[in-house]
This record gives sequence, C-alpha cells and structure tokens, in this order.
Amino acid sequence: AQSVTQPDIHITVSEGASLELRCNYSYGATPYLFWYVQSPGQGLQLLLKYFSGDTLVQGIKGFEAEFKRSQSSFNLRKPSVHWSDAAEYFCAVGIYNQGGKLIFGQGTELSVKP
Amino acid sequence: EAGVAQSPRYKIIEKRQSVAFWCNPISGHATLYWYQQILGQGPKLLIQFQNNGVVDDSQLPKDRFSAERLKGVDSTLKIQPAKLEDSAVYLCASSLDLAGGGYNEQFFGPGTRLTVL
Repeated sequence: AQSVTQPDIHITVSEGASLELRCNYSYGATPYLFWYVQSPGQGLQLLLKYFSGDTLVQGIKGFEAEFKRSQSSFNLRKPSVHWSDAAEYFCAVGIYNQGGKLIFGQGTELSVKP
Repeated sequence: EAGVAQSPRYKIIEKRQSVAFWCNPISGHATLYWYQQILGQGPKLLIQFQNNGVVDDSQLPKDRFSAERLKGVDSTLKIQPAKLEDSAVYLCASSLDLAGGGYNEQFFGPGTRLTVL
C-alpha cells in the first residue's frame, strides 16, 4: 500500500541555521512527490514538486528537495531558515492511477528560535 | 486568479447535529477533492469528483457523510449526525481535468475548522 512517513514530528532550529526535513515514501511505481507548507489557520501551499527529470528540485521561498529512488526519500532542505518559516510541513505522494489523490505524511512542525 | 473558496471558516456544533460545508473551486478546474485533516495528522482524502461524477469515495463514512457537486462546479459536504471524532479541518482542493493525462497540481482552499462538542 502507498504510504508516506515523516519521522520527525517536531523540529526546532535557530534562525539562520540550515534545515532538513525527512520524508520516506512507499509506492510501487515512479512517484509524483510534493512538499506543502501549512501556516496556522491557513490552507496548504505547494513548496515544490517532483514529477521526473532532475532529482534536485527547486521550490519557492528558497526551499529545495532531493529525490533519491534508492532510499525512497524526498527530503526537504533550506540553507538558512527565517523566522517566518515556522509552520507545519507535509510531504505527499500523488497516486496517478487513482485519480491523482494525494497521500500525506503526518507532518513535521518546525519551530524557529531567534 | 481567484483561489479555492470555502465557507464557513469555523463551525462549532453539538454531537448528533448536522453541518454542511461549501466549496467553490478554481474556475475551469474539473476535479474537486475533499480532505479531512484531524489535529496532528496529514490530510486524508474523503471524496473526489471529476465534473459532477464521483471518482473515489472509498474513505467516506457513508453512514453519516455525504457530498455532492451539482453542475460540476460548487460542492457541498454534509455530516449528519456529527460525532466527536469528526472534529477536524475539512479542506477542499481542485485541479485541472484528469482526462488530459499527466498529473495536475492540486490547489487547496483555507479549510473549514469543525469542532464537535
């Protein structure tokens, strides 16, 4: 069955420090992978997506993610975190042959220390 | 371009009452999704429409939840009667037509936060 695992429920980093959020997926075919961010009281905003091609994907707000097929991972990174990055981050896999529905991980809450 | 609209933004009801949520997708988007997001979890798909037909409702608790998408545009999700465990954020999303092939990005509305007391 398809699934997404985000091993870290909560991460705290200092402002200006680098960030890596982990995501592992289980899917039998080539995955469509996404990272979304959700601020309190807001809907989900797409940060970046991987469909095919270059395994290093650039997104908005300075985020990037690397697809590693051998590790079934799609980790999100940012070289320097800003206080405004504090939010909940969700990794998701898109199931193309099931109407395109998204399977989400449980999310990682990011806190940023001044 | 206007985004996905949802209303109300917040709703508080007693258990066993009924409640309805409304979603207006992005203009021209044929596919509409309803997700349930329980506190501390990722969103889970409840039902998916392609125009006004249901594509997937396998995760919809059909004894109490119902949804419709008349005329293939707006959609309404209803819960009757509500239970305590229905407390969650209900997110609506839309995307372009599935029939075009490939994979189309989903755009999410702000959600409706439901509290069942």
